[in-house]
Amino acid sequence: DAGVTQSPTHLIKTRGQQVTLRCSPKSGHDTVSWYQQALGQGPQFIFQYYEEEERQRGNFPDRFSGHQFPNYSSELNVNALLLGDSALYLCASSLEQGRMTYNEQFFGPGTRLTVL
Amino acid sequence: DAKTTQPPSMDCAEGRAANLPCNHSTISGNEYVYWYRQIHSQGPQYIIHGLKNNETNEMASLIITEDRKSSTLILPHATLRDTAVYYCIVRVAGSHGSSNTGKLIFGQGTTLQVKP
Repeated sequence: DAGVTQSPTHLIKTRGQQVTLRCSPKSGHDTVSWYQQALGQGPQFIFQYYEEEERQRGNFPDRFSGHQFPNYSSELNVNALLLGDSALYLCASSLEQGRMTYNEQFFGPGTRLTVL
Repeated sequence: DAKTTQPPSMDCAEGRAANLPCNHSTISGNEYVYWYRQIHSQGPQYIIHGLKNNETNEMASLIITEDRKSSTLILPHATLRDTAVYYCIVRVAGSHGSSNTGKLIFGQGTTLQVKP
């Protein structure tokens, strides 16, 4: 049973560039959340996708956008990169069950983005 | 901001029980207590969650006080592989379509060092 996978594992970009990160959820999961984790900090929620729509968003600027595909995989796009965007970007998947979503989220290994 | 308070670091001897405390004095009646851990350079891993009753699984036990204002995660026989950052999170069990579905708010966590 494949867990959450993310690509690439590492990425180096320069300021002003754009980046796309990819996530495949755990088999059977339909909901994808993205988090940013700066060095020495806990992960910060960026947004969540369900049924190909952004359902909830954290305190991140519009430079951060995403997409979910019919197969539930997801992309995170960041435009006009800043030095401060350097971080570990984590994808987490979960499954909607009935009307309540208290299920645990399964995290991928993350993509380490370095902005120079 | 995180709604939980945890000590920044703790040590534990290998083979002994590790007891990690968490304060969540402002927890609401519909909020669950979740524990995740993050081993260096990996994504967070779900451990356990509970509402008001004590919970146990193959990884750990969760003890929640009667007033629900604090909890303790217990690793019964800590090993070197349990060295990680442990996060205590309170989270609403959101209904389908609500704005409270899925978002995890991480604090700084407790760095547990298991020593030989």
